[in-house]
Amino acid sequence: SSELTQDPAVSVALGQTVRITCQGDSLRNYYANWYQQKPGQAPVLVIYGKNNRPSGIPDRFSGSSSGNTASLTITGAQAGDEADYYCNFRDSSGYRYVFGTGTKVTVL
Amino acid sequence: QVQLQQWGAGLLKPSETLSLTCAVYGGSFSGYYWSWIRQPPGKGLDWIGEINHRGVTSYNPSLKSRVTVSLDTSKNQFSLTLSSVAAADTAVYYCARVNSGSSWGDHYYYMDVWGKGTTVAVSS
Repeated sequence: SSELTQDPAVSVALGQTVRITCQGDSLRNYYANWYQQKPGQAPVLVIYGKNNRPSGIPDRFSGSSSGNTASLTITGAQAGDEADYYCNFRDSSGYRYVFGTGTKVTVL
Repeated sequence: QVQLQQWGAGLLKPSETLSLTCAVYGGSFSGYYWSWIRQPPGKGLDWIGEINHRGVTSYNPSLKSRVTVSLDTSKNQFSLTLSSVAAADTAVYYCARVNSGSSWGDHYYYMDVWGKGTTVAVSS
């Protein structure tokens, strides 16, 4: 299956660390990308490939993978990190893109 | 700094055709894929289709019969048409640039530049 499953919501205390997971059988063969989306705004790429950050993304964002699970970790969460986060990958066998179900991160 | 500017009709009636265009400013059109993604109200992201600078397309199987993505290289623009729209097509539609890379022989693709989105509502 090419589906990607994420926890609907997680919360984290200000300054603490939160890990957001993305599960799917295809992640054994593909890297997951991660996007941050704030209300009323377009998604923003925060992690791509093995663990790469686009220019301008703080180093408190990091990515990792193990088996069928990809993770996005925010170390020292800030109020501005409160957003929806989506994982995704490109299925090269079917030439299509799959997005995860999304996780709403609340910073307390 | 590459920017994507998108536009198109925001209110349609059922059975009409959705038409959106995305212009690429400040960067090369070639060497990338160019995608359309949509997001129904309160829901997640759903990939629609893409095209590369040579005109090679790929579509979401669930929409393939109604979708066409085309490009105008002379204007650095690409477009989306979705025929026979229904209420279920109500969504914010985004255009995005797809970049690529590789690590230890594994290729990966990611959407690194996004348009601001166009709200499309389908209602009689």
